[in-house]
Amino acid sequence: EAEVAQSPRYKITEKSQAVAFWCDPISGHATLYWYRQILGQGPELLVQFQDESVVDDSQLPKDRFSAERLKGVDSTLKIQPAELGDSAMYLCASSWTEAHNEQFFGPGTRLTVL
Amino acid sequence: AQTVTQSQPEMSVQEAETVTLSCTYDTSENNYYLFWYKQPPSRQMILVIRQEAYKQQNATENRFSVNFQKAAKSFSLKISDSQLGDTAMYFCAFMKRAGNMLTFGGGTRLMVKP
Repeated sequence: EAEVAQSPRYKITEKSQAVAFWCDPISGHATLYWYRQILGQGPELLVQFQDESVVDDSQLPKDRFSAERLKGVDSTLKIQPAELGDSAMYLCASSWTEAHNEQFFGPGTRLTVL
Repeated sequence: AQTVTQSQPEMSVQEAETVTLSCTYDTSENNYYLFWYKQPPSRQMILVIRQEAYKQQNATENRFSVNFQKAAKSFSLKISDSQLGDTAMYFCAFMKRAGNMLTFGGGTRLMVKP
């Protein structure tokens, strides 16, 4: 069964360092989402792509976060510089198109900033 | 903006018993989607059940069913014949329209006891 892949699964970094997370959606899925899940809370959207275009990045802290999906397939989320408050699980999800409502989630990357 | 509230941070149930998880939401939309997602420990989030707001009939998926009260903006999840594998975080989520982001509640941690 096709799944959303994410790497790394765990990342420990020191504050002010740069980190990057990678997501490979299910093959053929045009819509890709990055969510941040702080421990004990529900996920919150950071950015949404339709193919290679950003659909919604209103909640992305653009002074330190960036996201790209250059060829409309896999995606990278970057944080530079990392802050203590960025410690969280970063989840990637995908869906077939914007017309489909089911989102399939990856296992996430757990980031710890020291 | 939409909000989703899960008022039960933790619940427990004996194996084979029935448990109901509560969810309320706030929106000015008339047509939307509601979801329950399950997040097992250290595993990815998976869809349990979904409800389209224009459908009056409550959704059912095997042992999982919902009680959707549109006027009250309530969307509870009933798990019948609880199994040990049902132990997980359960998130209620709202989607304004297909392809939009999910707005999650804070989650309910369910423990099924043998």
